[in-house]
Amino acid sequence: DIQMTQSPASQSASLGESVTITCLASQTIGTWLAWYQQKPGKSPQLLIYAATSLADGVPSRFSGSGSGTKFSFKISSLQAEDFVSYYCQQLYSTPHTFGGGTKLEIK
Amino acid sequence: QVQLQQSGAELARPGASVKLSCKASGYTFTSYWMQWVKQRPGQGLEWIGAIYPGDGDTRYTQKFKGKATLTADKSSSTAYMQLSSLASEDSAVYYCASGGTTTMRFTYWGQGTLVTVSA
Repeated sequence: DIQMTQSPASQSASLGESVTITCLASQTIGTWLAWYQQKPGKSPQLLIYAATSLADGVPSRFSGSGSGTKFSFKISSLQAEDFVSYYCQQLYSTPHTFGGGTKLEIK
Repeated sequence: QVQLQQSGAELARPGASVKLSCKASGYTFTSYWMQWVKQRPGQGLEWIGAIYPGDGDTRYTQKFKGKATLTADKSSSTAYMQLSSLASEDSAVYYCASGGTTTMRFTYWGQGTLVTVSA
């Protein structure tokens, strides 16, 4: 199974700042990576797919990069509604493992 | 529009089984993989498995083999997950998700079903 190591587990930031979250895959996955946002009590929402493609309706302050084993997810100019949890998921092979998640908190 | 409607909350006794449903609409149900994901309170997302309704092909995480059984009814565009031999650690929210009309990703998610295992 492919292991996805996501970091940091939590991060504090201020409104308007930028943050970057990283996911490392235990073996190469090409660009088969998705990023999700999850608000408390809600279902995950797809933000990024194929490592760099923005899902429909997702604001452009969200972006993804990387390929192979190292991936990054960036939020530019944090808004109040962005302080929730984020997860990566590899779709290269089953089981389609998730990263451990990152919780963003307001500083 | 694509929608995934999951069944309501379940309260079950230890050792019992439950069968959760996920009714799909707005796309060709048989053409896209459906995944199931577990989330315990305050915890992260855990992949259980997936089913391709077109031919019934299933994939599971090793941990959930024997615990979860995925099926699909093409006539009603509904995916099911049966959880057996329930224990307290099975108490969680369970989500279904599909690509819907999109490929290479799981764009659409159900609202989740809360399963509580308690004597």
